Amino acid sequence: AQSVTQLDSQVPVFEEAPVELRCNYSSSVSVYLFWYVQYPNQGLQLLLKYLSGSTLVKGINGFEAEFNKSQTSFHLRKPSVHISDTAEYFCAVTEGGETSGSRLTFGEGTQLTVNP
Amino acid sequence: GAVVSQHPSRVICKSGTSVKIECRSLDFQATTMFWYRQFPKKSLMLMATSNEGSKATYEQGVEKDKFLINHASLTLSTLTVTSAHPEDSSFYICSARDSLDGTQYFGPGTRLLVL
Repeated sequence: AQSVTQLDSQVPVFEEAPVELRCNYSSSVSVYLFWYVQYPNQGLQLLLKYLSGSTLVKGINGFEAEFNKSQTSFHLRKPSVHISDTAEYFCAVTEGGETSGSRLTFGEGTQLTVNP
Repeated sequence: GAVVSQHPSRVICKSGTSVKIECRSLDFQATTMFWYRQFPKKSLMLMATSNEGSKATYEQGVEKDKFLINHASLTLSTLTVTSAHPEDSSFYICSARDSLDGTQYFGPGTRLLVL
């Protein structure tokens, strides 16, 4: 069974500061990893994903994440945040490979609040 | 990127009525779609996995007769909340799985309020 832990439920930062949202996972098989963002009263939007290859993944809106297999982590980073980045962020994992219908396991989410 | 739509975006209904929510993948085919429920300030709770042309797989604790799922085509899945009650009020989100790499793309969600 897989599990995802987002270590911080809330992260307040000032505008233009760097931010890191932490995500750790556990799984007995290889995994695919995802970060999604959810703005109020909206669905989830894919920020970035790691399937294979380079462990540093760049996504939309200036976000990036690094897959660290030895630490079973997939932390999300942005060097300079904007007010508009205020949202809920979800880390998710699914089994790697061509397993049909693999379900996503989500973390509990991290609320990022960017203050002026 | 891939687009998934949901309709309606919000619905208010009387207790005892049924409500149908549609989920469509607009620019890709999805053999598998998922239905989630989200409570305020909580993560997503998977309700069921919908496979095109076969019966849905429900998660433990989710009543299959209460939440009817139909996945009749590669681009459309529907969730019908039957005999809705106030405790069914929630935010329902669907996702469609891209068969090429397994990425799930999410719809914008449907806010259901049962009076």
